[in-house]
Amino acid sequence: DIQMTQSPSTLSASVGDRVTITCRATESISTWLAWYQQKPGKAPKLLIYKASSLESGVPSRFSGSGSGTEFTLTISTLQPDDSATYYCQRYNTYSPAFGQGTKVEIK
Amino acid sequence: QVQLVQSGAEVKKPGASVKVSCQASGYTFTTRGVAWVRQAPGQGLEWLGWISGYNGNTHYGQKFQGRVTITTDTSTGTAYMELRSLRSDDTAFYFCAREGGDHLFDHWGQGTLVTVSS
Repeated sequence: DIQMTQSPSTLSASVGDRVTITCRATESISTWLAWYQQKPGKAPKLLIYKASSLESGVPSRFSGSGSGTEFTLTISTLQPDDSATYYCQRYNTYSPAFGQGTKVEIK
Repeated sequence: QVQLVQSGAEVKKPGASVKVSCQASGYTFTTRGVAWVRQAPGQGLEWLGWISGYNGNTHYGQKFQGRVTITTDTSTGTAYMELRSLRSDDTAFYFCAREGGDHLFDHWGQGTLVTVSS
């Protein structure tokens, strides 16, 4: 099975900073990559699909890029409400797999 | 609007079974699949399996094969996940999620805490 690995596991940044999270797949997954945001005690929320398509209603400060085996989620200007854990997910498969998550903390 | 409402928290003893429900509304149930994902306390997301809302076809994660069964009741727009032979490491939040196409999860239930303890 294809495995997904995220880095870093945690990051601490200030409001207004540009933040980048990386997700790597053990084999090429084309652009079948989604990003989710999860806040404590809540269900995950879809942010990005097809590696770079923004889900309706998601702020434009979130963007995704990449293809094949390496992908990034970027928050252009970090806001206090962005404090959460972010997960990448390989989809378009009967064995969808998640990365282990990246916790974003506000300094 | 699309909503997935799950049943309440459960406490089970090791070796028992649990069945969690997920009632969908706001869309035509038979046009989308439903997946189940779990999250142990402080841990990441783990996919258990998926069912087609159209024809009831299922796919399960290899780790859960033989221990999990996912079903639907199309008359009520409800999906169910049954996990058997529960162990303490099955203690987790269990989420249902609507498949928005290509096994992309675009709407999620609120989660159901299943606690396995003697």
